[in-house]
Amino acid sequence: DTAVSQTPKYLVTQMGNDKSIKCEQNLGHDTMYWYKQDSKKFLKIMFSYNNKELIINETVPNRFSPKSPDKAHLNLHINSLELGDSAVYFCASSTGTALGEKLFFGSGTQLSVL
Amino acid sequence: GIQVEQSPPDLILQEGANSTLRCNFSDSVNNLQWFHQNPWGQLINLFYIPSGTKQNGRLSATTVATERYSLLYISSSQTTDSGVYFCAVVSPFNNNDMRFGAGTRLTVKP
Repeated sequence: DTAVSQTPKYLVTQMGNDKSIKCEQNLGHDTMYWYKQDSKKFLKIMFSYNNKELIINETVPNRFSPKSPDKAHLNLHINSLELGDSAVYFCASSTGTALGEKLFFGSGTQLSVL
Repeated sequence: GIQVEQSPPDLILQEGANSTLRCNFSDSVNNLQWFHQNPWGQLINLFYIPSGTKQNGRLSATTVATERYSLLYISSSQTTDSGVYFCAVVSPFNNNDMRFGAGTRLTVKP
């Protein structure tokens, strides 16, 4: 009965490969996010989608492309993986643009690029 | 953009001790939340507290929005409280962008 679920939990791959991380929420939320947590635990927003529409796109290399087929899903596709992409990626959701809504996180995907 | 600073960066306590974690932010906010990331990496929402005071068991939080800070109190700490505590804020100019502080790493020793 997981609220925000992302897969896979661990992803080990070679440099140059293309990979995807999937995220789904069953909370009925309108807004979904991708965050990147680096080795120093710093959490930084990458993308925000509201009702399938891109709202925020921070300074992220265009090798990263989010895809939102519907408002319950926000997948992250990464092309030509680099060593520096190694991190933990968190998907999150909230009820949307309404003020003061709680943010709920998935359990994270630990990406290791070798 | 809005800046979020947390202190202290690291905190080591003996079980049973109390502690106060601080979050300062550089501009007005309409949303402030505290999160706990446990040693297994899971991020749990502790409080939504843009202003005022809330309590949940041994944890409580106070935000003084006019002075741009929030405090998280942990009383009678337990080893399971260990992990990283994050403060995150939302600017009224961008409702969809939640910015995180660098966190306070808490270690509670038995």
